[in-house]
Amino acid sequence: RKEVEQDPGPFNVPEGATVAFNCTYSNSASQSFFWYRQDCRKEPKLLMSVYSSGNEDGRFTAQLNRASQYISLLIRDSKLSDSATYLCVVNIGYSSASKIIFGSGTRLSIRP
Amino acid sequence: DVKVTQSSRYLVKRTGEKVFLECVQDMDHENMFWYRQDPGLGLRLIYFSYDVKMKEKGDIPEGYSVSREKKERFSLILESASTNQTSMYLCASSFAGGHQPQHFGDGTRLSIL
Repeated sequence: RKEVEQDPGPFNVPEGATVAFNCTYSNSASQSFFWYRQDCRKEPKLLMSVYSSGNEDGRFTAQLNRASQYISLLIRDSKLSDSATYLCVVNIGYSSASKIIFGSGTRLSIRP
Repeated sequence: DVKVTQSSRYLVKRTGEKVFLECVQDMDHENMFWYRQDPGLGLRLIYFSYDVKMKEKGDIPEGYSVSREKKERFSLILESASTNQTSMYLCASSFAGGHQPQHFGDGTRLSIL
C-alpha cells in the first residue's frame, strides 16, 4: 500500500460545479499536510496548508480527518483556470529531517 | 515572494557527461531539496539538505551527488549521465521544521542522449 494515495482522475466537471477529492495516508504519525497544484509542464505551487480544524481560502476548503487518515480538498464554483493536477503532501514528523511524501496527484479538468 | 531559481529550463547532454544543475533561493531557507518527476511515478526525492554542508539521501540517490557550500545554493550533480536520468528535475526550499511548506523552482527538463 502506498503511503499517500490519491485518485488519479481525471475528474471532468462543468464550469461552476463543486468538486471534491480526497487523499489518504497510512502513517498515523503524519503531522502536517498541504495541497499543491501543478499545471502541465510547470512546477508544483502551494495551494494551501491543511489545519486540524479545517480551513478555507476563497473557493477552496481543505479538511483533515485524523481518525480516518485522509485530507480533502473542495473547490466551489469551479473555473476553467482550476484545471490542473492537485498534489497532496504529507509530512511525517516535525523536524527538518522528517519524511515528506507527495501523492501522485489528481487531475482535474473543468469544461466550459 | 519566495524565489527559487534553477539555472536552466531545458538542458541536453550526452551519455557519460558530468552534469551540474544549480538551484538558488533568496528566502534564507534552511532546507533545500532535489526531486525528479516522471510520468506515472510522481515526485521522487533524490537528496535534501537541512544546513550548509549537510546532505541526506532521499529515495533515489544512486547516480547523483549534491553540494551545499552556501546556504542559498544547492547543486545536483549527475556524475556520469545516463539515458534513464532523462527527466524533469525540481528544486525546492523551505524553512526549518517538517511543518513548513516547500517552494519550488521552475524545473529543469533534462534530456540525456
